[in-house]
Amino acid sequence: AQSVTQLGSHVSVSEGALVLLRCNYSSSVPPYLFWYVQYPNQGLQLLLKYTSAATLVKGINGFEAEFKKSETSFHLTKPSAHMSDAAEYFCAVTRDDKIIFGKGTRLHILP
Amino acid sequence: DSGVTQTPKHLITATGQRVTLRCSPRSGDLSVYWYQQSLDQGLQFLIQYYNGEERAKGNILERFSAQQFPDLHSELNLSSLELGDSALYFCASSPFMGLATDTQYFGPGTRLTVL
Repeated sequence: AQSVTQLGSHVSVSEGALVLLRCNYSSSVPPYLFWYVQYPNQGLQLLLKYTSAATLVKGINGFEAEFKKSETSFHLTKPSAHMSDAAEYFCAVTRDDKIIFGKGTRLHILP
Repeated sequence: DSGVTQTPKHLITATGQRVTLRCSPRSGDLSVYWYQQSLDQGLQFLIQYYNGEERAKGNILERFSAQQFPDLHSELNLSSLELGDSALYFCASSPFMGLATDTQYFGPGTRLTVL
């Protein structure tokens, strides 16, 4: 069975500070991994995806994530947080015909 | 704006009732996906249709059903509603068949409240 765990349901960072949102997956085979963002009262928007090409994946809005097989992790980072980054972030894993989302991490940006 | 539209935006109904949620995918997209988002269950994949045919099934209850019509819009039917069905229901679309690598474009959701 495969699943995804997001560490920390809430993360607060100061504006301009590094953003690090953690995601660990469990899968018996190499997965496809995604990060989605959900702004208040909106649907989800794809930030980036890993599909077994480069392990460092660059996404929209300055976000990137690194696939580390040895650590079964796919953490999301952004060097400098902006107020507009405040949202909920979901890590997801897919294999074959199933997609499984993590519980989500709400990112708060402190002025 | 993702190009995916969902109606209605809000729906309030009573237990035991039946409702229909509607989704129009982005122009040209052949796949439609339905998701349920609730506080206790998180975001769950329900079902995918590709070009009118059921393609993949997730945690969809037997009381729920969906279909995709020839014009590619989709409807999610929820019957014998229970309080626990109160949730945000999202539709997403993608150009192709694959669930695994396709980028999915999400609609704004329908908030269902069961009283």
